[in-house]
Amino acid sequence: TQLLEQSPQFLSIQEGENLTVYCNSSSVFSSLQWYRQEPGEGPVLLVTVVTGGEVKKLKRLTFQFGDARKDSSLHITAAQPGDTGLYLCAVGGGGFKTIFGAGTRLFVKA
Amino acid sequence: VTQNPRYLITVTGKKLTVTCSQNMNHEYMSWYRQDPGMGLKLIYYSVGAGITDKGEVPNGYNVSRSTTEDFPLRLELAAPSQTSVYFCASIQTGGAYNEQFFGPGTRLTVL
Repeated sequence: TQLLEQSPQFLSIQEGENLTVYCNSSSVFSSLQWYRQEPGEGPVLLVTVVTGGEVKKLKRLTFQFGDARKDSSLHITAAQPGDTGLYLCAVGGGGFKTIFGAGTRLFVKA
Repeated sequence: VTQNPRYLITVTGKKLTVTCSQNMNHEYMSWYRQDPGMGLKLIYYSVGAGITDKGEVPNGYNVSRSTTEDFPLRLELAAPSQTSVYFCASIQTGGAYNEQFFGPGTRLTVL
């Protein structure tokens, strides 16, 4: 059983559509991070959320941390082909260790 | 963070090393493997030169940390089950949260 469950696993949409992906757990976390991984590259940190209910925006991306700090969502408005990639959520695993979810693979068609 | 090689094909039983270097003076470094649909699994990590510890999936791997900059990953007896993409990362600490910086990955195929 994964500590972090991400859904959907795969999403293919047309350019201009909106979408939301989710990261869920039964555990409470002090913070949660979202990474994006483009094909052939390593993950890159997008955002860190630390407060229950917190909303952070990064251009067309909106991140929300659940009130109980057990889950998070990532909403993309007017998706573009450049948004294509694997979106990973991650939490601290004790010390400096990080635990990653399996990711949502997004494909945006032009 | 740099890794070499980027691509590697080998056969069962061979010994190999993947190098990792960072020039950000980060104390903490780690190695992950990424299998399709499985996210990133922690293999080994290091909190500073001379200090390493096992992660979630350490069997079949070995590491060393003789300097702050370098953290090589070794496979003593490569096996087909170790076919995967490997990522090295270093962590920037000390702020409100930690940020990991990943290398570009090494795609390993063991025949």
